[in-house]
Amino acid sequence: AQSVTQLDSQVPVFEEAPVELRCNYSSSVSVYLFWYVQYPNQGLQLLLKYLSGSTLVKGINGFEAEFNKSQTSFHLRKPSVHISDTAEYFCAVSDSFGNEKLTFGTGTRLTIIP
Amino acid sequence: GAGVSQTPSNKVTEKGKYVELRCDPISGHTALYWYRQSLGQGPEFLIYFQGTGAADDSGLPNDRFFAVRPEGSVSTLKIQRTERGDSAVYLCASSPQTGLGSIETQYFGPGTRLLVL
Repeated sequence: AQSVTQLDSQVPVFEEAPVELRCNYSSSVSVYLFWYVQYPNQGLQLLLKYLSGSTLVKGINGFEAEFNKSQTSFHLRKPSVHISDTAEYFCAVSDSFGNEKLTFGTGTRLTIIP
Repeated sequence: GAGVSQTPSNKVTEKGKYVELRCDPISGHTALYWYRQSLGQGPEFLIYFQGTGAADDSGLPNDRFFAVRPEGSVSTLKIQRTERGDSAVYLCASSPQTGLGSIETQYFGPGTRLLVL
């Protein structure tokens, strides 16, 4: 079984500042990793995913994440945030051996301060 | 209407009542997932359909929860004898891919917010 830990429940950041949202996972097998974003009153939207290959993954809206197997982390970063990035961000994991379901973290609420 | 739709958007019911929540996936998507998101938590897997059959129902919390997808498109999540602890947002997602590929591309609906009084 897999698990995901998002240690920061809330992250306030000034507009145009960089941000990092932390995600650590636990699994005994190889994994796929995902970041989803949930804007207010909207459904979950995929930001980016790591399946294999390059450990640096680029997603939509200028976000990127780096898979670090030794530290079992998949932190999300953006060099300069905008007011429109205000949302809840969820990290998720699945195993890569046919267990076709996502395990989500508890989410990080990103608030952009003008 | 290209996205996943869920009805109703909000449902208020009384403890002990029966409820049905509906999910209309994107046309042609073979995989369909149900998740439950309690307040302050991430989505929690309930059940996964591939076509008409439930490929994995290991996330259903107990036998009060049941889901069907009789024609391989629309799905209904049914909750019997509702309890206050069932209050949550119920999310549906669909994917055009089969097997492990269905994990890679999931499109989520806006959810149904269920409140059990």
